[in-house]
Amino acid sequence: DQQVKQNSPSLSVQEGRISILNCDYTNSMFDYFLWYKKYPAEGPTFLISISSIKDKNEDGRFTVFLNKSAKHLSLHIVPSQPGDSAVYFCASDKLIFGTGTRLQVFP
Amino acid sequence: DAGVTQSPTHLIKTRGQQVTLRCSPKSGHDTVSWYQQALGQGPQFIFQYYEEEERQRGNFPDRFSGHQFPNYSSELNVNALLLGDSALYLCASSLAARGSFGYTFGSGTRLTVV
Repeated sequence: DQQVKQNSPSLSVQEGRISILNCDYTNSMFDYFLWYKKYPAEGPTFLISISSIKDKNEDGRFTVFLNKSAKHLSLHIVPSQPGDSAVYFCASDKLIFGTGTRLQVFP
Repeated sequence: DAGVTQSPTHLIKTRGQQVTLRCSPKSGHDTVSWYQQALGQGPQFIFQYYEEEERQRGNFPDRFSGHQFPNYSSELNVNALLLGDSALYLCASSLAARGSFGYTFGSGTRLTVV
């Protein structure tokens, strides 16, 4: 049972535009969620988190939205930059990871 | 400040062999977790060590075992290697008091079983 799902394996966005990465989960008991970014040949690095009692958390160009009724969260990156090109993972508070979405930001 | 160091970076083993992967945590961290990332998948939790004991374990067979040393470094051992064990193995260190926050991942060991 995949408790955290990322159904889009890849996303391509033009520089300056908004990138929206999606994540769905099945367990309502998760207390918070985290987003990690991974470059090739590097380990995942923490990006942003959101508590289950909030519906939005913002940090600079990165905003995470949580829709508890839909068991869905999304990461918005605006404006997108070429350096944002990486694989993005969402994860539960128990560090159950989704399968990742590869974001490519092109000039 | 050195982050998490994993060795070796790459490894090729034959089916049926045994392998040991090593991890040095970030300075100040006391907990080490191991993850397996197969191609096209997200990292999957293998187990976590704290105070030299296995504290939590994911859904992995007993062929996967580990150890934590007094200096907080850790080893992951896999016996009787299968082709399906080919993956990137990630080590993450953290402070037990911070729960799932503040995890620092190493760059991983790429294991290929032939």
